[in-house]
Amino acid sequence: DSGVTQTPKHLITATGQRVTLRCSPRSGDLSVYWYQQSLDQGLQFLIQYYNGEERAKGNILERFSAQQFPDLHSELNLSSLELGDSALYFCASSVGGGAPNEKLFFGSGTQLSVL
Amino acid sequence: AQKITQTQPGMFVQEKEAVTLDCTYDTSDPSYGLFWYKQPSSGEMIFLIYQGSYDQQNATEGRYSLNFQKARKSANLVISASQLGDSAMYFCAITNSGYALNFGKGTSLLVTP
Repeated sequence: DSGVTQTPKHLITATGQRVTLRCSPRSGDLSVYWYQQSLDQGLQFLIQYYNGEERAKGNILERFSAQQFPDLHSELNLSSLELGDSALYFCASSVGGGAPNEKLFFGSGTQLSVL
Repeated sequence: AQKITQTQPGMFVQEKEAVTLDCTYDTSDPSYGLFWYKQPSSGEMIFLIYQGSYDQQNATEGRYSLNFQKARKSANLVISASQLGDSAMYFCAITNSGYALNFGKGTSLLVTP
């Protein structure tokens, strides 16, 4: 158990809908990262938050947004969902802001299916 | 920019044998970290081993070791004495200051009895 909690584990929804994925980092970790894993794109970095502030942005679509709350949990909001958004969404956390030697601890992921 | 290349989409190894999973990287930053993660069929990402760009010795963690060749920009994972439970996807990843972990496409390893 990595200590990172993601809910829900599975989500099935329809095109055009909006969903929210939730992540609680390990105790003491200040950074939260969101990744998307699909068969064709592999593991893609979406966004990082550090202590409530956006720290780095990757290949995140405009239809997607995230935030980190004062208690350090994070939510990833996906709107106007398309079939191609079906993927495994991972949250990871780390102690600091992203130094080269920082290990990321991953949650078990949310499997999103858009029908 | 930083990039990871894993050229082996799939590998087979017999139980108790050693196996090497290849990883090459590209980065212009002199300070970076290299990681290997394992993803079993259950889906979670499990940290295996870390190598810093300035580390003089190759990293080892139990049955895992990293063959780090800085001049060649390669960071191959060596798994000794393979076990059936090692069957999984293995991802190499790189990071440096200001950039989140960037993963390769992964290598699928199957350990046979």
